[in-house]
Amino acid sequence: AQSVTQPDIHITVSEGASLELRCNYSYGATPYLFWYVQSPGQGLQLLLKYFSGDTLVQGIKGFEAEFKRSQSSFNLRKPSVHWSDAAEYFCAVGGVQGAQKLVFGQGTRLTINP
Amino acid sequence: GAVVSQHPSWVICKSGTSVKIECRSLDFQATTMFWYRQFPKQSLMLMATSNEGSKATYEQGVEKDKFLINHASLTLSTLTVTSAHPEDSSFYICSASQPRGRQMAQYFGPGTRLLVL
Repeated sequence: AQSVTQPDIHITVSEGASLELRCNYSYGATPYLFWYVQSPGQGLQLLLKYFSGDTLVQGIKGFEAEFKRSQSSFNLRKPSVHWSDAAEYFCAVGGVQGAQKLVFGQGTRLTINP
Repeated sequence: GAVVSQHPSWVICKSGTSVKIECRSLDFQATTMFWYRQFPKQSLMLMATSNEGSKATYEQGVEKDKFLINHASLTLSTLTVTSAHPEDSSFYICSASQPRGRQMAQYFGPGTRLLVL
């Protein structure tokens, strides 16, 4: 069965510091991978997605993620965080280009210190 | 593009009443919509997959008679929580996807917070 693990429940970084959020997945076929961000009381916004091709994916708001098949990972990175990046981040895996149901990780809450 | 709306954004109701939540894709046609539930500080759990013109597919453990889903058009799906009880209080989020080969991701609505007293 497909699953997603986000090992870090809560991460705190200083504003301007670099960020890496970890995501490991288990999926029987070619995975379609996503990162979403959720601000308090809000829905989810798509940051980026990976379907095929270049394993380094660029997203919105300066985020990027790298797909590493050998490690079953899809870690999210940002070189310099801003206070507005404080939110909950969810990694998800799905099939058929996102048209089928998604399985979400537990989420990582990001806190930014001034 | 790819905007999904939900209405209402929050609702408070008495125990035993029914509540309807609407999910609309505003600028694209969604043959498939999904309904999720999210409890505080937890991840999203898929409740059901809704395909336009056909019956919804419910996840294991989700009562189909309690959570009625209707996907009558390519831009609208509704979730009705029947005979709501306090344990149904949660954040309900819908998402919509386009057919294969086009918009290649699910786009989420802003969510509906339900509080059952």
